[in-house]
Amino acid sequence: QQQVKQSPQSLIVQKGGIPIINCAYENTAFDYFPWYQQFPGKGPALLIAIRPDVSEKKEGRFTISFNKSAKQFSLHIMDSQPGDSATYFCAALSSGTYKYIFGTGTRLKVLA
Amino acid sequence: DAGVIQSPRHEVTEMGQEVTLRCKPISGHDYLFWYRQTMMRGLELLIYFNNNVPIDDSGMPEDRFSAKMPNASFSTLKIQPSEPRDSAVYFCASKLAGPSYEQYFGPGTRLTVT
Repeated sequence: QQQVKQSPQSLIVQKGGIPIINCAYENTAFDYFPWYQQFPGKGPALLIAIRPDVSEKKEGRFTISFNKSAKQFSLHIMDSQPGDSATYFCAALSSGTYKYIFGTGTRLKVLA
Repeated sequence: DAGVIQSPRHEVTEMGQEVTLRCKPISGHDYLFWYRQTMMRGLELLIYFNNNVPIDDSGMPEDRFSAKMPNASFSTLKIQPSEPRDSAVYFCASKLAGPSYEQYFGPGTRLTVT
C-alpha cells in the first residue's frame, strides 16, 4: 500500500514531442505528489508538485494531471527538448510525515 | 548558497571495511534526510532528522547502518561492516521548516563495495 508504481521505465521521443509519464498509488492518505528531475551525476531536484484538491497544474512546459478517483497522476512535457533528457521520479507523501515514497523512475531521452 | 554538500563523491572499499559518508545541509534547514538509490530498489529513504534528532529510521536496512547528526551543519551515515550489496548511490537532502515539502538533494556519494 506504500508503493508508488511508475511507468514506463524508459521513453524516447523526438524533439517537440510530448512524453507522458504515469504514476499510480494505493494509499489514500497521500496528499502531496511531486515530480523530481535527475540529471546524470546529480541529485534529484523538484520539478513540479500537486495536491489532490486540483486536477491539473502547469509550470512552463511541465503539466501534472491528477485523477483522485483513479489514484493516478501523470507528468506531461510539452514541446520537449534534448535538455529535458533526464530521469524523472514521481513521489507521494502524507502531510506531516516528510517521508517521500518514490516511484522507480523513468529515463527520458529526447532526440534532437 | 552552496547547496547540500556530500563527501566523498566516490568511495571504493573492500567488504568488511567501515565506510563513513558525510553531509552538510543547506544552512538554516531544519530537516536532513539520507536516501539510498539502486537500480533494483530505486530511491529509498533510510532515515531523517529534525533539529538534529532522528525522527524516523525505519528505512535503515540493518544494524550495520547508523546515522548521526551531532550539530545542525553536519551528519554522517556509517556502514560497518560493509557488504557488496551496500553498493549504491547515497544521497543526503535537506529541507527548511515550514509548509513547503521540497527537499534539496546533494550530488550523492557513489559507494562500491568489492
